[in-house]
Amino acid sequence: DADVTQTPRNRITKTGKRIMLECSQTKGHDRMYWYRQDPGLGLRLIYYSFDVKDINKGEISDGYSVSRQAQAKFSLSLESAIPNQTALYFCATSPRSLNTQYFGPGTRLTVL
Amino acid sequence: AQSVTQLDSQVPVFEEAPVELRCNYSSSVSVYLFWYVQYPNQGLQLLLKYLSGSTLVKGINGFEAEFNKSQTSFHLRKPSVHISDTAEYFCAVRERVTGGGNKLTFGTGTQLKVEL
Repeated sequence: DADVTQTPRNRITKTGKRIMLECSQTKGHDRMYWYRQDPGLGLRLIYYSFDVKDINKGEISDGYSVSRQAQAKFSLSLESAIPNQTALYFCATSPRSLNTQYFGPGTRLTVL
Repeated sequence: AQSVTQLDSQVPVFEEAPVELRCNYSSSVSVYLFWYVQYPNQGLQLLLKYLSGSTLVKGINGFEAEFNKSQTSFHLRKPSVHISDTAEYFCAVRERVTGGGNKLTFGTGTQLKVEL
């Protein structure tokens, strides 16, 4: 079984819809992250969480919210999706030392 | 804030030829640097990392990188590439955030295309 899983893997939705992307991990890491990847822009950090009670905004948090339901689960929500949120979304985890981040397989989101 | 620059968005190379993917970072007192690889339709996987010590770092799949403090660079190299090395490569730097934690800042990526 994969250590970091993301659901769904692909999603097509319409403008204005609310959508949730889920991330689960079995690595026992405290820290979890959500990134989006756009061609030519690399990965940009949306939100990160250092433990269940600690949530922090990244560089592009507008239009997104997150929930850390448990150590192993970190969900990303788009309250009202818009077309420029079409992207590949990655969840990642790391131990406290942050010597390595472990990435999920990604969710490809298309907003029409 | 730290930043990472990958000047080459695409690098085409023939199989068995050497390759260098360039990465420059913004100056800081101390840096932790990483290279990640993303194969088509997959997530990112750690290739190698520089934390301290020897400036030549060896990673998986025959890749290596050299930390050069005076040039603020961390270029990735492989002496002989294979078709299976076709992927996108990301350089990243660790930076501290408020509250004592850390996060990674990624470059924009370099697409390596290996041709026969």
